[in-house]
Amino acid sequence: QVQLQQWGAGLLKPSETLSLTCAVYVGSFSGYYWSWIRQPPGKGLEWIGEINDSGRTNYNPSLKSRVTISVDTSKNQFSLKVTSLTAADTAVYYCARVHYDILTGHLGAFEIWGQDTMVTVSS
Amino acid sequence: DIQMTQSPSTLSASVGDRVTITCRASQTISKWLAWYQQKPGEAPKLLIYDASSLQSGVPSRFSGSGSGTEFTLTISSLQPDDFATYYCQQYNTYPRTFGQGTKVEIK
Repeated sequence: QVQLQQWGAGLLKPSETLSLTCAVYVGSFSGYYWSWIRQPPGKGLEWIGEINDSGRTNYNPSLKSRVTISVDTSKNQFSLKVTSLTAADTAVYYCARVHYDILTGHLGAFEIWGQDTMVTVSS
Repeated sequence: DIQMTQSPSTLSASVGDRVTITCRASQTISKWLAWYQQKPGEAPKLLIYDASSLQSGVPSRFSGSGSGTEFTLTISSLQPDDFATYYCQQYNTYPRTFGQGTKVEIK
């Protein structure tokens, strides 16, 4: 069964850069898109962006200027960087696998999720 | 961005009740909609994809319907394990967007 395990620094200061990594265990890494999603405390879910094994990315325009998602296929890992942090970036961050419909080529729902990482931005 | 609006925001129900949650999209999204269940301290769990397809391992008391701009999630007989927050999400267009959530509480 595919498992996603994520890690990264949990307490950061304003203007610093957030770095998170998500590793994929068991199952294929290739042929999928891999996504990052966040959830501010007590609030709803926000899609940050996604990447495939070829490095093709899609980003949320609201965050695009500060976000970079990268992939390391040799380690079956993908990573998130968010620069110029503010308190508004305080959230639980999740990595997730995007369902890929082989027949239609359509990218679908977030079918497998990592466990979460709480990131707090505070001076 | 496509806005996803769920109703109600909170729902109080009893074990055994039939529960329906509605999700409306600000523009048509065909069938490209998912429903997730989230419990406190846990990651969301995919329940329904493509508006009406049940994710493997999800109990059959969960069902989804709709297309275009109006969708519903129905729990046919609410169980104690179902008290949680539910989110809809569209994947027709970028950026992917979620509804604000519906909390199902014990009545």
